[in-house]
Amino acid sequence: DAGVIQSPRHEVTEMGQEVTLRCKPISGHNSLFWYRQTMMRGLELLIYFNNNVPIDDSGMPEDRFSAKMPNASFSTLKIQPSEPRDSAVYFCASTRTGTNEKLFFGSGTQLSVL
Amino acid sequence: AQTVTQSQPEMSVQEAETVTLSCTYDTSESDYYLFWYKQPPSRQMILVIRQEAYKQQNATENRFSVNFQKAAKSFSLKISDSQLGDAAMYFCAYRSRDGGSQGNLIFGKGTKLSVKP
Repeated sequence: DAGVIQSPRHEVTEMGQEVTLRCKPISGHNSLFWYRQTMMRGLELLIYFNNNVPIDDSGMPEDRFSAKMPNASFSTLKIQPSEPRDSAVYFCASTRTGTNEKLFFGSGTQLSVL
Repeated sequence: AQTVTQSQPEMSVQEAETVTLSCTYDTSESDYYLFWYKQPPSRQMILVIRQEAYKQQNATENRFSVNFQKAAKSFSLKISDSQLGDAAMYFCAYRSRDGGSQGNLIFGKGTKLSVKP
């Protein structure tokens, strides 16, 4: 299995631009999570999906952030417009609900908003 | 809501020595999972060890072991015979066992471990 695949690995953009981060979960996993990691706040859950349905988006900072999961094998996290304070590492993770399986993480996307 | 606290922002150990990283958590649940994840400079989150709360026996994985004290809500990680490759950020994490959380992990702020040759 290829694991959780995230793209791009690095993204540098200018303030005000739209940014789209992508994630492919492990096949067979039905829960998908987006986390954000910063020095100040550590790892924070932004949103998670179960069976492609958003379950809890209370961690999404504001309306500039949106996430979709159109099918079981793909999810996006979009920031529009981006701001310098959005600079962080964004992780996607997946697991199979109802088991004691660990959360499998992607390699993360390092986002820098100038 | 559950919380996870790692009180040591940084720790240092001599190669081949033993080091213990602390973690405490707060929950009203009786059944849950606890994890230690390692994050090296590569950024990849790597599961080190997992403990199920209903199991009294402490989990071990080669040089890594935990001291799980359920009543005290404490979950420390012991690394024996430390190696240079153990240098990384270590995160303690909590996961509810009930269906409502859908597997979400709650993380501590992390402990940065340095290994001196």
